[in-house]
Amino acid sequence: RKEVEQDPGPFNVPEGATVAFNCTYSNSASQSFFWYRQDCRKEPKLLMSVYSSGNEDGRFTAQLNRASQYISLLIRDSKLSDSATYLCVVTSPTSGTYKYIFGTGTRLKVLA
Amino acid sequence: DAEITQSPRHKITETGRQVTLACHQTWNHNNMFWYRQDLGHGLRLIHYSYGVQDTNKGEVSDGYSVSRSNTEDLPLTLESAASSQTSVYFCASSEAGRPMNTEAFFGQGTRLTVV
Repeated sequence: RKEVEQDPGPFNVPEGATVAFNCTYSNSASQSFFWYRQDCRKEPKLLMSVYSSGNEDGRFTAQLNRASQYISLLIRDSKLSDSATYLCVVTSPTSGTYKYIFGTGTRLKVLA
Repeated sequence: DAEITQSPRHKITETGRQVTLACHQTWNHNNMFWYRQDLGHGLRLIHYSYGVQDTNKGEVSDGYSVSRSNTEDLPLTLESAASSQTSVYFCASSEAGRPMNTEAFFGQGTRLTVV
């Protein structure tokens, strides 16, 4: 079983739609959680961190459920520019520090 | 501005050759990571380092090695390139210490083709 699992999609949605992605992680010792965005053939970039209390950044809302070990990302009022792959990332403790474990990513295509 | 750069951006090499991919960061981060990205697998960790002279194997380390002689650089060496190592390689760095909300910064990637 992969340490971080995501539905690969693709999710094809019309402009203005609301879309949600989920991600599950298997290591209960995971400490930090993030959503990264990756555009085609480019490097991943941080979209937002995910806090236990949930957090919002404009049209984006991230939530964490530690008990069920899943993370979600909600995008409201989708724009064409939101088309990308969204990567769920958790930090896994190791040797007194940590490493980043990535999900395989969920592809989103927003259609005009 | 601080940054993380990879070179070369593209490389074609022959099976059996030794190849080194460079990664240089000016963030002064202690943590550095190498990933490969392939369709259907996402980013998989190859090697990582938490400081000078420290290196650790990731989940797909066979056939790769790294060395950390200074804070800024973590070169990735393919000892004898194989076609299965054709991939896009990303280097990343982050601050040491508590991981809470610590962002990893990525280089632009190196597209390696082994023929």
